[in-house]
Amino acid sequence: QVHLVESGGGVVQPGRSLRLSCAASGFVFNNHAMHWVRQAPGKGLEWVAVISYDGSDKNYATSVRGRFTVSRDNAKNTVYLQMSSLRGEDTAVYYCARDRTLLSTVYSYGLDVWGQGATVTVSS
Amino acid sequence: QSVLTQPPSTSESPGQRVTISCSGTSSNIGSNSVNWYQQLPGTAPKLLISGNTYRPSGVADRFSGSKSGTSASLAISGLRPDDEADYYCAAWDDSLNGLVFGGGTKLTVL
Repeated sequence: QVHLVESGGGVVQPGRSLRLSCAASGFVFNNHAMHWVRQAPGKGLEWVAVISYDGSDKNYATSVRGRFTVSRDNAKNTVYLQMSSLRGEDTAVYYCARDRTLLSTVYSYGLDVWGQGATVTVSS
Repeated sequence: QSVLTQPPSTSESPGQRVTISCSGTSSNIGSNSVNWYQQLPGTAPKLLISGNTYRPSGVADRFSGSKSGTSASLAISGLRPDDEADYYCAAWDDSLNGLVFGGGTKLTVL
């Protein structure tokens, strides 16, 4: 079974940091780019970041660039999202998702496996 | 405000056909493939259409996608009550160097 399981969510004060993890199983992890997508309460989907299959290429949404860092450990089949200088508008469910394409830095063909989401609440 | 534009809501009767539009620009839909996602209440999104028209394994053939220029559409035929969900289009944007989503369309099956 192909699975993604996020962890590390919680309540954090504005300005503080938090790290999310996403553990993958059931597929060859280092063949796929991985994305983070978030959804604020009652709102739509917002893409956050992508990291290529080998970690050499990373891209970020404008809203998080300079504050969030995506990384991966292919030996542990895990992708991370380090979030710093958190703001109230970062409150959301954070999903990790697998890019459908194999061994590519072209991210055009969809996210075909999603985790269940990790809830991050930024509040004092 | 989302980079891709979708109608906020639509409704149709069971058994009928509905289309959901998605409008973008030359830097996203005009240059890259469009993907569609279905999000049932309280669940993670599910990839419905990949590469403009391809249905991943397990997706019913009642769902179909198309693209023309800087616009795309998702069509759902033979509507069922369990098709009630939020539907999102998405495409890579070469100018932003990131993935962009539409604002989502809430489908109600009356």
